[in-house]
Amino acid sequence: GDSVTQMEGPVTLSEEAFLTINCTYTATGYPSLFWYVQYPGEGLQLLLKATKADDKGSNKGFEATYRKETTSFHLEKGSVQVSDSAVYFCALSESQGGSEKLVFGKGTKLTVNP
Amino acid sequence: EAGVVQSPRYKIIEKKQPVAFWCNPISGHNTLYWYLQNLGQGPELLIRYENEEAVDDSQLPKDRFSAERLKGVDSTLKIQPAELGDSAVYLCASSMGQGGWHNEQFFGPGTRLTVL
Repeated sequence: GDSVTQMEGPVTLSEEAFLTINCTYTATGYPSLFWYVQYPGEGLQLLLKATKADDKGSNKGFEATYRKETTSFHLEKGSVQVSDSAVYFCALSESQGGSEKLVFGKGTKLTVNP
Repeated sequence: EAGVVQSPRYKIIEKKQPVAFWCNPISGHNTLYWYLQNLGQGPELLIRYENEEAVDDSQLPKDRFSAERLKGVDSTLKIQPAELGDSAVYLCASSMGQGGWHNEQFFGPGTRLTVL
């Protein structure tokens, strides 16, 4: 079945450092790909998404490009802030919009120190 | 606009006791999801509703778990009897419905269940 593998955490960075969180997937079809973020004490929030190969999702300085050839959707940010400290989940959905179930990775906890 | 509302936020019960979680989706959202999130893991779908109909309940352990979505709005997830391994966060999400390119799932804050 479908699955998502993301890099083990936790990740600790200093403010303004470059962030990469790796995510690879296995799917039978052509899934839509998502990054969700969970801030402490809050629910999951959609950070960005991409629905077809070579699409780049971006939001709040974060970016991820849908790479079909490497089945990857790595999350990047050029300069992290303390407020980016959260748990990040990579996910896929076989439906174009994500209306069917989301399959999540295990999550990567990011801590950014001042 | 109000988001997805869940209650209670926290619940502590003894094993073998029943427990119920409630979810109120975003107004106008036809699709409702219940996910289970174990500690250190990503959420896993338990059940998905399209209006009143459960269209995907393949991952719901039907021997002890049940869910309902009367009138296609609010939903309740029940566990009876609870076991130690049920300790987790139960997440509810909603979306506008099938189809479309912007059918984002919106998540509630979750109910953290502890079974003693």
